[in-house]
Amino acid sequence: QKEVEQDPGPLSVPEGAIVSLNCTYSNSAFQYFMWYRQYSRKGPELLMYTYSSGNKEDGRFTAQVDKSSKYISLFIRDSQPSDSATYLCAMSGQNAGNMLTFGGGTRLMVKP
Amino acid sequence: DADVTQTPRNRITKTGKRIMLECSQTKGHDRMYWYRQDPGLGLRLIYYSFDVKDINKGEISDGYSVSRQAQAKFSLSLESAIPNQTALYFCATSDLVNGNEQFFGPGTRLTVL
Repeated sequence: QKEVEQDPGPLSVPEGAIVSLNCTYSNSAFQYFMWYRQYSRKGPELLMYTYSSGNKEDGRFTAQVDKSSKYISLFIRDSQPSDSATYLCAMSGQNAGNMLTFGGGTRLMVKP
Repeated sequence: DADVTQTPRNRITKTGKRIMLECSQTKGHDRMYWYRQDPGLGLRLIYYSFDVKDINKGEISDGYSVSRQAQAKFSLSLESAIPNQTALYFCATSDLVNGNEQFFGPGTRLTVL
């Protein structure tokens, strides 16, 4: 079993829909939780960064962490075709200098 | 200009050949990383370096070697390429304090026949 599980998709939604992307993990030592976005033929870029449990909002994006369930989510409101990409969750331990463990990525397609 | 560059962007080679992938960065970061990406497996860490004199193995270092020639340059070598090393390879950088925010290059698509 992988440390971080993520549904590979693809997830196809109409423009304007609310998108929910999720990851589960098994390592209770993870304290930092990130979402990276990767466009086709590009490297990943950091989208959201949270520490421990709770919510963080940035524009149309909301990241949620539930450490008791070992479950994290990324919500995208009013999804746009430009949100079409692969979304990778990533996690690390107690030290911000620790190495990242990535999920396999979910491919999202937002149709006009 | 891009902050993290990788060369080549695409490479096709044959089994047994030696291959070097190069990475350069202008971000002034001390930490550099090499990952490979395979469909459904996400990014897996091959090697990482915290400074010029520091090299560490990652999750999947077998069959690979690295060289940190300078703070800004980190190269990955496949001494004798094999077909299951066909993948997308990414270089990334981060500063010393926050390894969670990594900046990735555009990737090198490597095919080993």
